[in-house]
Amino acid sequence: DGGITQSPKYLFRKEGQNVTLSCEQNLNHDAMYWYRQDPGQGLRLIYYSQIVNDFQKGDIAEGYSVSREKKESFPLTVTSAQKNPTAFYLCASSSGHPFEQFFGPGTRLTVL
Amino acid sequence: AQRVTQPEKLLSVFKGAPVELKCNYSYSGSPELFWYVQYSRQRLQLLLRHISRESIKGFTADLNKGETSFHLKKPFAQEEDSAMYYCALSGNRETSYDKVIFGPGTSLSVIP
Repeated sequence: DGGITQSPKYLFRKEGQNVTLSCEQNLNHDAMYWYRQDPGQGLRLIYYSQIVNDFQKGDIAEGYSVSREKKESFPLTVTSAQKNPTAFYLCASSSGHPFEQFFGPGTRLTVL
Repeated sequence: AQRVTQPEKLLSVFKGAPVELKCNYSYSGSPELFWYVQYSRQRLQLLLRHISRESIKGFTADLNKGETSFHLKKPFAQEEDSAMYYCALSGNRETSYDKVIFGPGTSLSVIP
């Protein structure tokens, strides 16, 4: 089963801890994105990367960090600085210009 | 500022009735418009985009630049159309706008 994968499916974290969400794709896409999905707010862009070793902040980057060391991988770290981290996180990829984004299954993060 | 609005959070229609999901946008330039759909327990996926001018699963959407709208329509709703629908926009190929902006989403429920 190819495409874009995210792990884990569910993640629990204690307050004050950093946690890293995994996103991997085998579509040979250059661009990758991280979104946060909250009820009634749609998808909000956290970070995106158009090419390896480069990434840009999205609309809600505070409290998050990313890296793009490999084309296939775009992990997201939710730091303790994120005030309200409990949410559903979606990773996506696209080939160049974002005409069509391919989404992963998502990770649901709960802070206890 | 670039923005996508979907005025209805919830929309219920009877099977066989016409359905219209509204989407309005603000963008300084010529955008690319998309509709994404998320069925229960499935990934978010592209439904259609305005540049393709195609009908997918009986759905169509026309870009009205004068009214800055991109409403999604289907003449006869089916139960399997029940899902969350997101309107989205990005810049066109001639721009360097490399993000996609999503609306808040409309949950469509088709009543048998």
